[in-house]
Amino acid sequence: SQQGEEDPQALSIQEGENATMNCSYKTSINNLQWYRQNSGRGLVHLILIRSNEREKHSGRLRVTLDTSKKSSSLLITASRAADTASYFCATDALTEKLVFGKGTKLTVNP
Amino acid sequence: GAVVSQHPSRVICKSGTSVKIECRSLDFQATTMFWYRQFPKQSLMLMATSNEGSKATYEQGVEKDKFLINHASLTLSTLTVTSAHPEDSSFYICSATGGTVENNEQFFGPGTRLTVL
Repeated sequence: SQQGEEDPQALSIQEGENATMNCSYKTSINNLQWYRQNSGRGLVHLILIRSNEREKHSGRLRVTLDTSKKSSSLLITASRAADTASYFCATDALTEKLVFGKGTKLTVNP
Repeated sequence: GAVVSQHPSRVICKSGTSVKIECRSLDFQATTMFWYRQFPKQSLMLMATSNEGSKATYEQGVEKDKFLINHASLTLSTLTVTSAHPEDSSFYICSATGGTVENNEQFFGPGTRLTVL
């Protein structure tokens, strides 16, 4: 069964604003990853955060992880129209298998 | 580095035919490849895990006789949808991991859009 649940399901913002997406999961994890998917395309890996890490940055991306709440957030700062895509979190536990959340569809309006 | 390709990118076939999708790791040896299916506006669902030289492990509810997976080399895995029907129409995505890839990070192919008429 799917483990990750993102919210919101859809988010529409203006260019330049920040976008925050949340992900919750149900069981213990080794790593949590965020991916981006443009419409009809494959997945692009954005960032991986390990279970013993609390925060990670990569360019305009900031990911936090709260293992006590079994949740993670992805913040995109100073959004651009090109950030328009669906964003998925994925968790892995003891195996290599990834379990994906349902995704957040982000629309950045120019 | 760590590029995964899929072929074809799109395929349209008649009901009852079989379709083969290839997944290749271009610049690393993929000890493990994964096959996912994604229906419109939904998330990715893992179908099976394949390791080079051994039988694939299928997720619950995925018919192994319908979705044949062959991982014959460290750079190639194939998914064959046998006797395809309209309900098999979906976006199929593979991913690969292995070798010196850190944290067993999975690298995803661009996906194959299958439409069964």
